[in-house]
Amino acid sequence: NAGVTQTPKFRVLKTGQSMTLLCAQDMNHEYMYWYRQDPGMGLRLIHYSVGEGTTAKGEVPDGYNVSRLKKQNFLLGLESAAPSQTSVYFCASKAGALYNEQFFGPGTRLTVL
Amino acid sequence: AQTVTQSQPEMSVQEAETVTLSCTYDTSESDYYLFWYKQPPSRQMILVIRQEAYKQQNATENRFSVNFQKAAKSFSLKISDSQLGDAAMYFCAYRSAWSDMRFGAGTRLTVKP
Repeated sequence: NAGVTQTPKFRVLKTGQSMTLLCAQDMNHEYMYWYRQDPGMGLRLIHYSVGEGTTAKGEVPDGYNVSRLKKQNFLLGLESAAPSQTSVYFCASKAGALYNEQFFGPGTRLTVL
Repeated sequence: AQTVTQSQPEMSVQEAETVTLSCTYDTSESDYYLFWYKQPPSRQMILVIRQEAYKQQNATENRFSVNFQKAAKSFSLKISDSQLGDAAMYFCAYRSAWSDMRFGAGTRLTVKP
């Protein structure tokens, strides 16, 4: 099992450009999450999904959109990137509501110039 | 909203010695879960230990143990016989049945040979 994978690992964007981060998990997990990690602030939840076709906002959703068209994939989109979105992005998944452990991907370092 | 506070941005320990990382949290809920995650330089988030609030017994995983003080809302991590491989960022996290995962800002642990 690959667990949780993220594509790409690194990306540099110019202000106003758009991009999509892909998260894939092969554990048949129901729940998936997108976090951002900034220095001195720990991880903050952007959006999450409790199942295929569902999404919900987390703590810091502005400027991002997500989609969960397939159970194994969770996409994070930036329509018009801003320098404030420079961060490390982590995807995570969890088996279901009754489970506690989240499994994390390796992260994507995004720089917006 | 639930908050998680890690008051020690950096800690250091001598190899083979013991170190304790502090974490406090704020919640009005009675049923919740607490976690310690390790993030080495590879960026991968690794679950170290977890504690269910309804359990009075402190969780232990090999050299890692917690001191859970529910009334004081304190959840410290003790690492015994520290090893060079323990050097990492450590994040305390909180989750309840009704809330998303909330992370503290992290503590950077250095292990001196």
